[in-house]
Amino acid sequence: EDKVVQSPLSLVVHEGDTVTLNCSYEVTNFRSLLWYKQEKKAPTFLFMLTSSGIEKKSGRLSSILDKKELFSILNITATQTGDSAIYLCAFSFGNEKLTFGTGTRLTIIP
Amino acid sequence: NAGVTQTPKFRVLKTGQSMTLLCAQDMNHEYMYWYRQDPGMGLRLIHYSVGEGTTAKGEVPDGYNVSRLKKQNFLLGLESAAPSQTSVYFCAITGAGELFFGEGSRLTVL
Repeated sequence: EDKVVQSPLSLVVHEGDTVTLNCSYEVTNFRSLLWYKQEKKAPTFLFMLTSSGIEKKSGRLSSILDKKELFSILNITATQTGDSAIYLCAFSFGNEKLTFGTGTRLTIIP
Repeated sequence: NAGVTQTPKFRVLKTGQSMTLLCAQDMNHEYMYWYRQDPGMGLRLIHYSVGEGTTAKGEVPDGYNVSRLKKQNFLLGLESAAPSQTSVYFCAITGAGELFFGEGSRLTVL
């Protein structure tokens, strides 16, 4: 059975700090790993990772996938209060169904 | 939210009542999904559809039925609501390997 564990479950930091969110998995035969940000309503897409070791970057956010050690991390530098959200990782299996992790709730204190 | 509309946004039911959630898309996508989101559980797939007239079970299908009579619409039904079905329900469609979500429907079963 596929298993996706995100850590920490919850994180509170001060504005300006750097955070690293982890997505560990026991999932076979997936096509891609995706990261989503969920604020008050629906999740919004951040990154899609398909290859091991290649960093994806968007502004202050970056992510990388390690298929050997079976994890992905999402880094956020110089955090802002607008980064407060639940961050979800998910696995795509080619038929475009996604299996989601439990999420990390990030709170940024001004 | 990429042309995905869910109705209603909020609903309170009594145990044993029935109801239907409607998901409508204006993107002409084949794949549509219903997820539920509960605290600490992430997003779990209830049912999905790969095209008009087709439906399939996801991870947690029990207690729900679905129909896709028209390509644009995907309906999720609860025949006899139970308190365990209290949740936030998200409809989603796919595009380029990622999911686009509706804004969610919060259902409370008393």
